Amino acid sequence: AQSVAQPEDQVNVAEGNPLTVKCTYSVSGNPYLFWYVQYPNRGLQFLLKYITGDNLVKGSYGFEAEFNKSQTSFHLKKPSALVSDSALYFCAVRRGSSNTGKLIFGQGTTLQVKP
Amino acid sequence: SQTIHQWPATLVQPVGSPLSLECTVEGTSNPNLYWYRQAAGRGLQLLFYSVGIGQISSEVPQNLSASRPQDRQFILSSKKLLLSDSGFYLCAWSVRELPNGAFFGQGTRLTVV
Repeated sequence: AQSVAQPEDQVNVAEGNPLTVKCTYSVSGNPYLFWYVQYPNRGLQFLLKYITGDNLVKGSYGFEAEFNKSQTSFHLKKPSALVSDSALYFCAVRRGSSNTGKLIFGQGTTLQVKP
Repeated sequence: SQTIHQWPATLVQPVGSPLSLECTVEGTSNPNLYWYRQAAGRGLQLLFYSVGIGQISSEVPQNLSASRPQDRQFILSSKKLLLSDSGFYLCAWSVRELPNGAFFGQGTRLTVV
């Protein structure tokens, strides 16, 4: 069965510092991995995805994520955090061999960036 | 371009009343469609997904049902709401043939009182 774990409920960083939001996954076959961001009372916005190719994926708003197959991880990173990055972040996985596209989400990590 | 519409944005319903939430997608054909529920502002639970008209897969046993009467229309329903049905409901779609993620509607905040 597919699953995603986000081990941290909340991550606190100071503005201008680098940030990392952790994600590990479990899926049979090749994974498709995604990061989404959610602002209060809104839907999820797509940030970036890993399908194949370069393990370092760049996405929206200066975010990037690194796929590590041996550690089954897909951590979200940003070199310099902004206060406006404060939001709820979700990691998601989809089984690559399936065309149903069923997307399974982690529990979310609240990112708090302080000025 | 593709858009997804979900309504209403907020809903307050008494226990035991029926529910109907509607979601429509524009600008694409044969999408995969999903209903998720988010409780207490945290993780998303996949409730239903559909790969075609009339094809519904239920992920968890519950008081809710889903239907897909048209290719780009996905409806979440209940005959009698429970207090535990309160939450934030999100509709989403994805392109079936491509390894893409899903695109989400703005959500419906349902409060059962």
